[in-house]
Amino acid sequence: AQKITQTQPGMFVQEKEAVTLDCTYDTSDQSYGLFWYKQPSSGEMIFLIYQGSYDEQNATEGRYSLNFQKARKSANLVISASQLGDSAMYFCAMREGQVSGTYKYIFGTGTRLKVLA
Amino acid sequence: DGGITQSPKYLFRKEGQNVTLSCEQNLNHDAMYWYRQDPGQGLRLIYYSQIVNDFQKGDIAEGYSVSREKKESFPLTVTSAQKNPTAFYLCASSIEGGALTEAFFGQGTRLTVV
Repeated sequence: AQKITQTQPGMFVQEKEAVTLDCTYDTSDQSYGLFWYKQPSSGEMIFLIYQGSYDEQNATEGRYSLNFQKARKSANLVISASQLGDSAMYFCAMREGQVSGTYKYIFGTGTRLKVLA
Repeated sequence: DGGITQSPKYLFRKEGQNVTLSCEQNLNHDAMYWYRQDPGQGLRLIYYSQIVNDFQKGDIAEGYSVSREKKESFPLTVTSAQKNPTAFYLCASSIEGGALTEAFFGQGTRLTVV
């Protein structure tokens, strides 16, 4: 069954340091997409980065990179040079549906990141 | 500017009332979704629609209903059968199902039962 697991309910990181947020997934599809979203206290969902299952290179977007290990079914988010504005809830998500024919997004339970000055 | 608009931002419901949350998008997306988020928790799928006049139940559809009469609109009704409706509701849309692209979200509606 399709599933996203985020095992870190909360994380602290010192400003300017790097932090890794963990995400593992389970799917029987060969074709799927993995996504990370940021949710500040305002509640909006901000798309950060995407990794396709067939992409051989790890995705990068500015200070965000996705450490994709397909064999281990993990898609960890790495934030470099943390800033105070990075304090938020972070969600890992997956979209697949090749087998079922119904494409939808499923989300993990999130990791709350607090950046310390 | 293209985007998704949810209204209202805050909504209060009395016990036993039905309420409807609005979601409109001008991104020309075929697929639309409704999620529920409880404090400190992840997003759970209520309903989704991949095309006009068609929709499917998600993981927690009981006590909710939707319609998809227009491509741009996907309203969610929280019925009196939903025993614990207080939550944050997020609407999203995306390109059709075969494309592995990101979902775009509205600003959310915070529903409180009084």
